[in-house]
Amino acid sequence: NAGVTQTPKFQVLKTGQSMTLQCAQDMNHEYMSWYRQDPGMGLRLIHYSVGAGITDQGEVPNGYNVSRSTTEDFPLRLLSAAPSQTSVYFCASRNNWEAFFGQGTRLTVV
Amino acid sequence: SQQGEEDPQALSIQEGENATMNCSYKTSINNLQWYRQNSGRGLVHLILIRSNEREKHSGRLRVTLDTSKKSSSLLITASRAADTASYFCAPSNQAGTALIFGKGTTLSVSS
Repeated sequence: NAGVTQTPKFQVLKTGQSMTLQCAQDMNHEYMSWYRQDPGMGLRLIHYSVGAGITDQGEVPNGYNVSRSTTEDFPLRLLSAAPSQTSVYFCASRNNWEAFFGQGTRLTVV
Repeated sequence: SQQGEEDPQALSIQEGENATMNCSYKTSINNLQWYRQNSGRGLVHLILIRSNEREKHSGRLRVTLDTSKKSSSLLITASRAADTASYFCAPSNQAGTALIFGKGTTLSVSS
């Protein structure tokens, strides 16, 4: 079982560059979310989706875009990376009872 | 915000002792979940308690929920060194569409 797959695992960007963090799940879950985790801050919700074609903002959406064209995929786009976006990013997919997390993407913006 | 606030931020105990972590939240919830994170890895689901439940058990875990006080607690009995991790509570919003995590409690269990 693949579960939730995030790519890449590590990434270094220069300020102003754009990139897409990929997230795919094979559990046919409707709910998917993106979180960022910074030291001492816990996990903060960036964007979430309740099904294909439906997305909504979380706690810290600025600087990030998402789309959900299929049930399986939920990519997170950074349009113009900033040093403040240096963080570990987690994608999660869930049913009504529990969330399943990917292994994370460690992003550094220099 | 539904954010859970865990207390204490850090907890150090000896193997065999019990560990209790508390969570407070702000508004009505559909359910509340607890997760565990080993260093640098993704979170793993531990247990879910629904808003109409008061207590739930799973192995060495016991979770309580007091909706009148908007609080929950996680008790780990007979702790082991392998329980060393960060623990997060995640209240679900009333619609059940989003989980908002707190900052977590870092548990260290020494042998």
